[in-house]
Amino acid sequence: NAGVTQTPKFRVLKTGQSMTLLCAQDMNHEYMYWYRQDPGMGLRLIHYSVGEGTTAKGEVPDGYNVSRLKKQNFLLGLESAAPSQTSVYFCASSYPWTGGSTDTQYFGPGTRLTVL
Amino acid sequence: GIQVEQSPPDLILQEGANSTLRCNFSDSVNNLQWFHQNPWGQLINLFYIPSGTKQNGRLSATTVATERYSLLYISSSQTTDSGVYFCAVEPSFGNEKLTFGTGTRLTIIP
Repeated sequence: NAGVTQTPKFRVLKTGQSMTLLCAQDMNHEYMYWYRQDPGMGLRLIHYSVGEGTTAKGEVPDGYNVSRLKKQNFLLGLESAAPSQTSVYFCASSYPWTGGSTDTQYFGPGTRLTVL
Repeated sequence: GIQVEQSPPDLILQEGANSTLRCNFSDSVNNLQWFHQNPWGQLINLFYIPSGTKQNGRLSATTVATERYSLLYISSSQTTDSGVYFCAVEPSFGNEKLTFGTGTRLTIIP
């Protein structure tokens, strides 16, 4: 199993450009998440999905869009990149909450995005 | 929303020392996890521990849910333990979302 993979690993954009980050998981997880991590801070949730075809806003959704057309993929889009979106982006996936040890989230390796 | 505070923010120790990291949270939780982010940025889940005590090798964790805190213990530290340790919680009102603390940066000196 590859677990959670993210594409690309690094990207540099100019202000106003658009791009899509791809997250894929092969663990048959229902839930998927996109986070951003800024220096000195913990992870903040951007958007998440509790199943194919569903998405919901997290803590910091502005400037981002997401889609979950297939269960194994979760895409994060930036329509018009801004320097404030310079960050490291992490994708994660998990099973639905059951109150047991399967409630852990598994993280991808991250995408380092710089917006000039 | 729920508040998560971790202490200390930074910790520098000699190899072989023991350490205790603390996570305080402001509301009752369904889910509490400890993660280690290594110097290469990879996040690894250490423990799922909304209550009770668990051990895994040199690491152990205890959550006292009634008092709203969790502790992560690292014994006989090794340089590979360096990195940032995050606590993340999901409140009991169940929004299926984890809220992360700002982490404790641990540096183990050989």
